[in-house]
Amino acid sequence: NAGVMQNPRHLVRRRGQEARLRCSPMKGHSHVYWYRQLPEEGLKFMVYLQKENIIDESGMPKERFSAEFPKEGPSILRIQQVVRGDSAAYFCASSPSGTEQYFGPGTRLTVT
Amino acid sequence: EDKVVQSPLSLVVHEGDTVTLNCSYEVTNFRSLLWYKQEKKAPTFLFMLTSSGIEKKSGRLSSILDKKELSSILNITATQTGDSAIYLCAVSPQTGANNLFFGTGTRLTVIP
Repeated sequence: NAGVMQNPRHLVRRRGQEARLRCSPMKGHSHVYWYRQLPEEGLKFMVYLQKENIIDESGMPKERFSAEFPKEGPSILRIQQVVRGDSAAYFCASSPSGTEQYFGPGTRLTVT
Repeated sequence: EDKVVQSPLSLVVHEGDTVTLNCSYEVTNFRSLLWYKQEKKAPTFLFMLTSSGIEKKSGRLSSILDKKELSSILNITATQTGDSAIYLCAVSPQTGANNLFFGTGTRLTVIP
């Protein structure tokens, strides 16, 4: 059973461009969480999704950020018009039932 | 606001030493506390604790929860250089989302 997959592992974007981060949960997991880790800070919750539904997006910035988890395919975290402050590691976690969460390797976004 | 505090922030020990990492929390309607090990990539799940006073063990690692003191400890005995990592503590509140609130971690360095 492959673990949580994220791609790309590293992403460089110029200010104003769009960033798309992908997450494929572990097989059989229907709960997906996105977290952001800024330098020297802990992981911060962003959004929780189940298939085709956003359950909790209380940690998402109100503008430029969106997430989806379609019926088929990976979960996508999209950041529009990126700014330098968006540079961080973005981790996805999946869970079979909303209890323990298993993390992917993360996507390191650098905005130049 | 829900809060997780870990101590010490960093720790340097010699191989063979025993270490104790601390985690204290303030959370509305506590559900569970989780420990993760983060090396250069994904946080790796170690333990999930829900009941007070019951020790969980995995090899040289063990952890216990004290709900009265709102805290948990993670013990590592006979440390090895491979134990060098950031150890993250997270708590999950009793809400539908089950998102995790993380501490900033304890950076453990084990020197030969």
